[in-house]
Amino acid sequence: GENVEQHPSTLSVQEGDSAVIKCTYSDSASNYFPWYKQELGKRPQLIIDIRSNVGEKKDQRIAVTLNKTAKHFSLHITETQPEDSAVYFCAASGAPPGNTGKLIFGQGTTLQVKP
Amino acid sequence: GAVVSQHPSWVICKSGTSVKIECRSLDFQATTMFWYRQFPKQSLMLMATSNEGSKATYEQGVEKDKFLINHASLTLSTLTVTSAHPEDSSFYICSARDLRGNQPQHFGDGTRLSIL
Repeated sequence: GENVEQHPSTLSVQEGDSAVIKCTYSDSASNYFPWYKQELGKRPQLIIDIRSNVGEKKDQRIAVTLNKTAKHFSLHITETQPEDSAVYFCAASGAPPGNTGKLIFGQGTTLQVKP
Repeated sequence: GAVVSQHPSWVICKSGTSVKIECRSLDFQATTMFWYRQFPKQSLMLMATSNEGSKATYEQGVEKDKFLINHASLTLSTLTVTSAHPEDSSFYICSARDLRGNQPQHFGDGTRLSIL
């Protein structure tokens, strides 16, 4: 079945440095790739997403890149701040009507930004 | 923006009790909602896809008779954990896709279920 692998599981960076989290997916039909930030005990919050018709998307300090050939996508956070500390999840899904749009999540990355 | 309301946020109950969790899309219609379970320090695991007006689609390994799903309207899906046991204790989260399509999924706040 579909599978999403995420690395690393933990990441510690100094404030101001960049952080990169990588994911690979198995289903070549996947065409939507969101990234979520989850703080302890709270809902996942969408921070950025990308569709398969583009290779890169940026929103201020956050960017996502997608390589469909290699079936991997990455999250880049620049100028990290302590409030970026959280668990980050990547996910992949196909598109309706042929696919329900269900999300398959990666294992998560605990990001710690040290002041 | 789109809001998904999930209720209750906390449930503590005795073993053997059945617990119902509600997931509502407040400002959009959703033919499809999803139910996830998340154990501490783990990822979100999809349990089932809830389809308005039809049977839910369960992921492999999820007991459909244990986790009853009803999606009776375009704005409400319910998950009932029947005869809950301590191993069912977890964080249950729903999400919903806007009927209009091509929209991101929106998550509820989750329900912390503790079975004593």
